[in-house]
Amino acid sequence: GESVGLHLPTLSVQEGDNSIINCAYSNSASDYFIWYKQESGKGPQFIIDIRSNMDKRQGQRVTVLLNKTVKHLSLQIAATQPGDSAVYFCAENRLGGNQGGKLIFGQGTELSVKP
Amino acid sequence: NAGVTQTPKFQVLKTGQSMTLQCAQDMNHEYMSWYRQDPGMGLRLIHYSVGAGITDQGEVPNGYNVSRSTTEDFPLRLLSAAPSQTSVYFCASSKFLALRTDTQYFGPGTRLTVL
Repeated sequence: GESVGLHLPTLSVQEGDNSIINCAYSNSASDYFIWYKQESGKGPQFIIDIRSNMDKRQGQRVTVLLNKTVKHLSLQIAATQPGDSAVYFCAENRLGGNQGGKLIFGQGTELSVKP
Repeated sequence: NAGVTQTPKFQVLKTGQSMTLQCAQDMNHEYMSWYRQDPGMGLRLIHYSVGAGITDQGEVPNGYNVSRSTTEDFPLRLLSAAPSQTSVYFCASSKFLALRTDTQYFGPGTRLTVL
């Protein structure tokens, strides 16, 4: 089932340090995963994605790691900056009807960067 | 391109009233979807559409109707608003999610309060 709560997990890091945000997914059939960043009052913004035939994918200052054995996803942000402060969501793609996929979002983690 | 646009930005309804949240995209995307986001939670999929004339239910479809008469527009209708529908609603689109190669791009959201 889906966890319900009013308080997001939070991660507080010092500016310049590396950040690691973790996510567990439930469906072993999911084959596409995405990380989104959501700033206050805005819609989610795409960061990076990974398919299930990969273990690691790198972008600019971000790396996503996928461990299918334990159904775990992580987002690593290098040299974290104040502009990285936001809520980060992982999402897994599941098969839906009419050949469409359905994105199922995790609860989210709030990242706070201290100057 | 304007991307994904949503109107209105804010709305207050009384219990039992009906209304339609508008969503439009100008990217010629086939896939469109509606999510709701409650405090401290991730986004939950309400309905989605893989093309004009085709819609499917997501995780939380009860109390909402959708239709897709054109590629560009995907309105969400609340037939009889309830306080439990107080939330922030996001519309999203992608070229075709089932291909697993395109992520979803989100609109700015509509904040709905039902009294």
